Amino acid sequence: NAGVTQTPKFRVLKTGQSMTLLCAQDMNHEYMYWYRQDPGMGLRLIHYSVGEGTTAKGEVPDGYNVSRLKKQNFLLGLESAAPSQTSVYFCASNSPQGYTGELFFGEGSRLTVL
Amino acid sequence: EDKVVQSPLSLVVHEGDTVTLNCSYEVTNFRSLLWYKQEKKAPTFLFMLTSSGIEKKSGRLSSILDKKELFSILNITATQTGDSAIYLCAVEPGNTGKLIFGQGTTLQVKP
Repeated sequence: NAGVTQTPKFRVLKTGQSMTLLCAQDMNHEYMYWYRQDPGMGLRLIHYSVGEGTTAKGEVPDGYNVSRLKKQNFLLGLESAAPSQTSVYFCASNSPQGYTGELFFGEGSRLTVL
Repeated sequence: EDKVVQSPLSLVVHEGDTVTLNCSYEVTNFRSLLWYKQEKKAPTFLFMLTSSGIEKKSGRLSSILDKKELFSILNITATQTGDSAIYLCAVEPGNTGKLIFGQGTTLQVKP
C-alpha cells in the first residue's frame, strides 16, 4: 500500500551541486505535482504534469527541471543548487476520473543547500 | 495571476473555543476550492467546495464557499489540542489540474 513515495527523504548539498528527487506513485494517477514548502508560505507549485510525457510550469519553476517519462514517475531536478532552494519538497498525485479534489502526498523530502 | 490569500496567518486559542479561518481567492475560471490540514508531515484532505457544493460539514469542522465574494471560511467548533495544525486552502483554476495554495493558517490550541 505504498501510495506516493519520494526519495531521498533528506539530502544536504553544496551550492552548485546537482541532484534529482524521485517521486513514484502506484495509483495509476494521471496528474502529478511538485511543491515546495517554506515557513509561512504554504505550498508553492514548482511544476506539474497532467500525463505521461507532458509537463508544465507552476508558480516557482526557475532553477528546477522535471520529467515524466513514465506515468508512475515524476522527477524533479536541480541542475545547480542554490541556498534559496533549501526547502521541504512534496510530491503529490491525483486523477481527473471521479475527481474529489484530494491530492495524495508523499512524505516530503527535506533539502538543505549550504 | 491566480492568487489565494489566507487569514489570519496564525492563531492561538484555548480548548473549547470556536475558530474561523478565512480564504480569499482570485483565479481564472474557478473550478473548486479545497481545505487541507497539515500536522507533522504531508497535508491531509478535509473538504472540496464547488459551485454545486458550497457547504460541507464533518463533525466539528464545517466550511462554506461564497462564489460571489470569492472567499471561503473554515469553522472549527469546540476546538481540541489535536486540532493544532497548519490549515491550507487551495484553489483549482479551470480544468487545469493544478492547485494553487494559500500561505496557510497556523492554529495552536492550548489546553
